[in-house]
Amino acid sequence: QQNVQQSPESLIVPEGARTSLNCTFSDSASQYFWWYRQHSGKAPKALMSIFSNGEKEEGRFTIHLNKASLHFSLHIRDSQPSDSALYLCASLNNYAQGLTFGLGTRVSVFP
Amino acid sequence: AQTIHQWPVAEIKAVGSPLSLGCTIKGKSSPNLYWYWQATGGTLQQLFYSITVGQVESVVQLNLSASRPKDDQFILSTEKLLLSHSGFYLCAWSLGGARAEQFFGPGTRLTVL
Repeated sequence: QQNVQQSPESLIVPEGARTSLNCTFSDSASQYFWWYRQHSGKAPKALMSIFSNGEKEEGRFTIHLNKASLHFSLHIRDSQPSDSALYLCASLNNYAQGLTFGLGTRVSVFP
Repeated sequence: AQTIHQWPVAEIKAVGSPLSLGCTIKGKSSPNLYWYWQATGGTLQQLFYSITVGQVESVVQLNLSASRPKDDQFILSTEKLLLSHSGFYLCAWSLGGARAEQFFGPGTRLTVL
């Protein structure tokens, strides 16, 4: 059974700062990794995904995956108040079964 | 364009009463369908998934059941609600395949008193 751990639980950052979120997973056979963002009271929405070791950048967002260390991360450059949300990392082992989510990191960006 | 609709938007129910939540996906045939539950401020816990009409697999046991009566419809229900059933219920769909993104519906907020 996959176990996904996130850290930190919460973050408060000033506008313009870099935000870093971490995720570790327990199953070394995991292959597919996602970051979802959920604004308060809304449905989660996929932010980015990564399927092989390395780095992927989209705009202000960068994700890293290191399968050997069972670790993947999300970095937000030039954080904005609109980035304030719950960030959920997830891994997918069996596409039919769906995603295993971490507990989430609540990010608050203040002006 | 694909749309996902959940009903009702919110429910307040008494302990011991029955419950039925629904989810409809339009614009996509034969999607994989999922039910997730999210406690207030908590993570998403997958409850059920279905890859075809009439077939539903349970992931966790929470005294809930699910059915897929039509290709585009997924129903979550129970005959007797518990206080612990309170939370945010989310339906999601994907095309299937390991790299397929899951798209979530707007959710139903359930309060059990």
